Amino acid sequence: KAGVTQTPRYLIKTRGQQVTLSCSPISGHRSVSWYQQTPGQGLQFLFEYFSETQRNKGNFPGRFSGRQFSNSRSEMNVSTLELGDSALYLCASSPRGGSNQPQHFGDGTRLSIL
Amino acid sequence: DQQVKQNSPSLSVQEGRISILNCDYTNSMFDYFLWYKKYPAEGPTFLISISSIKDKNEDGRFTVFLNKSAKHLSLHIVPSQPGDSAVYFCAASVNGGSQGNLIFGKGTKLSVKP
Repeated sequence: KAGVTQTPRYLIKTRGQQVTLSCSPISGHRSVSWYQQTPGQGLQFLFEYFSETQRNKGNFPGRFSGRQFSNSRSEMNVSTLELGDSALYLCASSPRGGSNQPQHFGDGTRLSIL
Repeated sequence: DQQVKQNSPSLSVQEGRISILNCDYTNSMFDYFLWYKKYPAEGPTFLISISSIKDKNEDGRFTVFLNKSAKHLSLHIVPSQPGDSAVYFCAASVNGGSQGNLIFGKGTKLSVKP
């Protein structure tokens, strides 16, 4: 069974640009969550999508946005990039987004801002 | 304010012995807890979870213990193997994780010496 797939694996951008990251969940999984990992803050929740609807959002500015498609694939977008956005962005999926279901992570997209 | 704390940044154990990783939390609303293992350049891999209605869950060499009164959980690995060397993250959520939002600790780096 294929795992969570994130593309691209690495990305280099400059300040002020925007970026779109992609996540394909495990087949049959309908809930997709996004996290940002930095050395200082650790893993922090960005948002979660289920059935194309954002159900929950973390404490990040509006420059961070996302969406989910009917096939459960998800994208996240960061506009007006800042140096502090350099991080590993991780996507995780779970079957129904219900209770007591572990999330399964992809290998992430490493975003570097110059 | 860190709601999930892993106070030991690193732990070194001899092969064959027991590894005990600890995690403390402050939010009494947490009811679902998970442990993840992370190798460099890979995403977190789900290991084991426990619901707050239980105090112990086992899966092979891995056992998680939950002490709700102390707001403390621990992961026991017996016997430890060199391949277990990785960073271990403790995570917690409310409502069984149904809101897609996991709160992570900062991680403990486990080194298992042959």
